[in-house]
Amino acid sequence: DIVMTQTPLSLSVTPGQPASMSCKSSQSLLHSDGRTYLYWYLQRPGQSPQLLIYELSSRFSGVPDRFSGSGSGTDFTLKISRVEAEDVGVYYCMQGIDLPNTFGQGTKLEIK
Amino acid sequence: QVQLVQSGAEVKKPGASVKVSCKASGYTFSSYGMTWVRQAPGQGLEWMGWISGHSGKKKYAQKFQDRVIMTTDTSTSTGYMELRSLRSDDTAMYYCLRVPSPWGQGTLVTVS
Repeated sequence: DIVMTQTPLSLSVTPGQPASMSCKSSQSLLHSDGRTYLYWYLQRPGQSPQLLIYELSSRFSGVPDRFSGSGSGTDFTLKISRVEAEDVGVYYCMQGIDLPNTFGQGTKLEIK
Repeated sequence: QVQLVQSGAEVKKPGASVKVSCKASGYTFSSYGMTWVRQAPGQGLEWMGWISGHSGKKKYAQKFQDRVIMTTDTSTSTGYMELRSLRSDDTAMYYCLRVPSPWGQGTLVTVS
């Protein structure tokens, strides 16, 4: 199974400041079709996870452009250019290149 | 819009079985697989398995191999996840999703 490792496990950010979190996979997520099957989700308290970024760097419909995904192969980053109060929650990365799909442990974002 | 609506919360005794449903709308059910993920209280996301929307092909996480059954009913665009021989550590929120989105709202299963 592909192991997904997220760092840090928690992050405390002042509103308006940037935030960055990392996700590493034990195998490359680059498929032969040229796509990288790495997803980022935000799970707000009491809610289902919601998709932020798909296939490495594409923002899902309705996701603010302050969220961006980058990386390649096995190393990935989610950046928030200016954190807002509504960004509080746990961020998960997930690989979709192989079954079982696997998740990182999550990065909990809180507001200072 | 694409939507997954799950059945309501369940309370079960140890040793019993639970069957959770997930009704899809807004897309051609048979064209996509359905994935099941669970989340124990305060914990991360755990992949349970996947079932094809048309062929019945399945893959289960090894951990649940002998206790889980996933099925679909294309006539009603509904997926089902049955977990048998329940234990207290099966207490969790159970989610269906069409990778990578959307997710169902979750079904809380309490084993006590």
